[in-house]
Amino acid sequence: KNEVEQSPQNLTAQEGEFITINCSYSVGISALHWLQQHPGGGIVSLFMLSSGKKKHGRLIATINIQEKHSSLHITASHPRDSAVYICAVSWGGSQGNLIFGKGTKLSVKP
Amino acid sequence: KAGVTQTPRYLIKTRGQQVTLSCSPISGHRSVSWYQQTPGQGLQFLFEYFSETQRNKGNFPGRFSGRQFSNSRSEMNVSTLELGDSALYLCASSLVYLAGSGTDTQYFGPGTRLTVL
Repeated sequence: KNEVEQSPQNLTAQEGEFITINCSYSVGISALHWLQQHPGGGIVSLFMLSSGKKKHGRLIATINIQEKHSSLHITASHPRDSAVYICAVSWGGSQGNLIFGKGTKLSVKP
Repeated sequence: KAGVTQTPRYLIKTRGQQVTLSCSPISGHRSVSWYQQTPGQGLQFLFEYFSETQRNKGNFPGRFSGRQFSNSRSEMNVSTLELGDSALYLCASSLVYLAGSGTDTQYFGPGTRLTVL
């Protein structure tokens, strides 16, 4: 069984701060996903990665396969980044069979 | 290109009833997955369909079932509703089912919020 642990559970930051959210998993995976969920429920897929590093605007995601660990970084945080960030892993050959972390609730204050 | 649509968006049912939720994937997407989100358990995988076949199923009782049609639209059904079935039900679509690679992005719908009284 694959366990996905995220830290921290809650995070409050001031606008402009650099933010890091961590994700660890216990079993080998085919891909790791970072998702963003705003109040109201809509989920947006931010990154899907199986190795290395990806960057999109102010967001950077890294993964270390050997250490079974991934980080999501937000540079120059903004109040509109306030959301729940969820790490999920896909394994067993199907990217639809995702196992999710509990999420990190981020609040960025102006 | 239209996104993933789910109907209805909100639903209130009573215990013992059954419910059917619908999901229309992004045009051209052939894989549809369903997820349940509750405050206590978070997001959990229900099942995945590709080419009208169920490819994977999560750890849910048989009261939860689904199907996919030839146009890739999918429905999920919950029979004999229980209070604990109150949740946000999300579906997600992706272009293909890539066994062994898991390298396709999923696009989520807005969800159906089901309340069981």
